[in-house]
Amino acid sequence: AQKITQTQPGMFVQEKEAVTLDCTYDTSDPSYGLFWYKQPSSGEMIFLIYQGSYDQQNATEGRYSLNFQKARKSANLVISASQLGDSAMYFCAGRFDSGNTPLVFGKGTRLSVIA
Amino acid sequence: DAGVIQSPRHEVTEMGQEVTLRCKPISGHNSLFWYRQTMMRGLELLIYFNNNVPIDDSGMPEDRFSAKMPNASFSTLKIQPSEPRDSAVYFCASSLGLLAFYEQYFGPGTRLTVT
Repeated sequence: AQKITQTQPGMFVQEKEAVTLDCTYDTSDPSYGLFWYKQPSSGEMIFLIYQGSYDQQNATEGRYSLNFQKARKSANLVISASQLGDSAMYFCAGRFDSGNTPLVFGKGTRLSVIA
Repeated sequence: DAGVIQSPRHEVTEMGQEVTLRCKPISGHNSLFWYRQTMMRGLELLIYFNNNVPIDDSGMPEDRFSAKMPNASFSTLKIQPSEPRDSAVYFCASSLGLLAFYEQYFGPGTRLTVT
């Protein structure tokens, strides 16, 4: 069965530093998409970035980039120049093409940015 | 464009009462998902629809929970009778479809408190 694993329950980072949030996935499907969501304390789930299994380049969206290593089955989120507003829960999720399934979510990583 | 709309945003009810949560997906999106989030269980998928048809309701906890999607622009999640353990944040999300590269967009959630 497809699975998303986030091994870091919590992370701290100094303001203006970069931080990497880990995500690994388990699938035998050749076609899949990997997503990151941010959930601030206000509760909404905000879509951040997407990486497709066939994409040749790592996805980037502003200060967010995805370090996609297909052979290692990892899709780590890199946040550059952290800001206090980046403090939130971050969820990695995957969508796998067998059976047209919905997103499979990891358990999340709570990021705290320190001034 | 309007995002996913959920109502009410907050609901406080007494045990035994019927609760109806509402969701309007993004226009043009064919897939709709209901999630529940609690501290103990994290984010759980309850049920999802594709083209207004329920695809998988295996996540619905009990017969007290039911969901409908009478048309492409409206869905309801009903709990009858409600119990204190149903207290959670309920999210609705929509996507263009179920293929791997379609991201899901979440509504702001309904915070349900059952006393």
